[in-house]
Amino acid sequence: GQNIDQPTEMTATEGAIVQINCTYQTSGFNGLFWYQQHAGEAPTFLSYNVLDGLEEKGRFSSFLSRSKGYSYLLLKELQMKDSASYLCAVVNQAGTALIFGKGTTLSVSS
Amino acid sequence: KAGVTQTPRYLIKTRGQQVTLSCSPISGHRSVSWYQQTPGQGLQFLFEYFSETQRNKGNFPGRFSGRQFSNSRSEMNVSTLELGDSALYLCASSLRLTGTEAFFGQGTRLTVV
Repeated sequence: GQNIDQPTEMTATEGAIVQINCTYQTSGFNGLFWYQQHAGEAPTFLSYNVLDGLEEKGRFSSFLSRSKGYSYLLLKELQMKDSASYLCAVVNQAGTALIFGKGTTLSVSS
Repeated sequence: KAGVTQTPRYLIKTRGQQVTLSCSPISGHRSVSWYQQTPGQGLQFLFEYFSETQRNKGNFPGRFSGRQFSNSRSEMNVSTLELGDSALYLCASSLRLTGTEAFFGQGTRLTVV
């Protein structure tokens, strides 16, 4: 089976840095995605990691450690518009499904 | 290019009825996946189709079914609706799932009363 854990909620202030952690237990691994979902909207792609290390893309970075079953999403210079749910998803062994965590709701305040 | 289109956006049905939801993927995408999203359970995988073949199915009862047409458009059907089927149903398309971004549609909000 597969299990993905993320914190349920996080709060931060504008301009700050926040790290959202994701731990996973899977029978196989084909990569890990991070998606952002604003209330009432579709999830949108943020990052994809398949090898260990840090992937940086503007204010967002994502890190993966396959040996530890661990990933994090790092958001820098937080803005109010970053208030959203952040979803960690692992590709199943067959490469035919995304298995999602329950998401982390981030609230950014001024 | 056009994104993933799901119809209808909102639907209200009564218990025991059946419903069909539609998803048109991005042109050229052959993989279509369906997910159910609820506040308590988050996004849960329903099934995935590639070139008209169901390649994987999540842990949902047989009342949930789907299909994909030769133009990659997909439909999912839920029969004998239950109150617990109330959810946002999301469709995602990708060129191939492994290692490529999945693009989500806006979803169909199904309410069962």
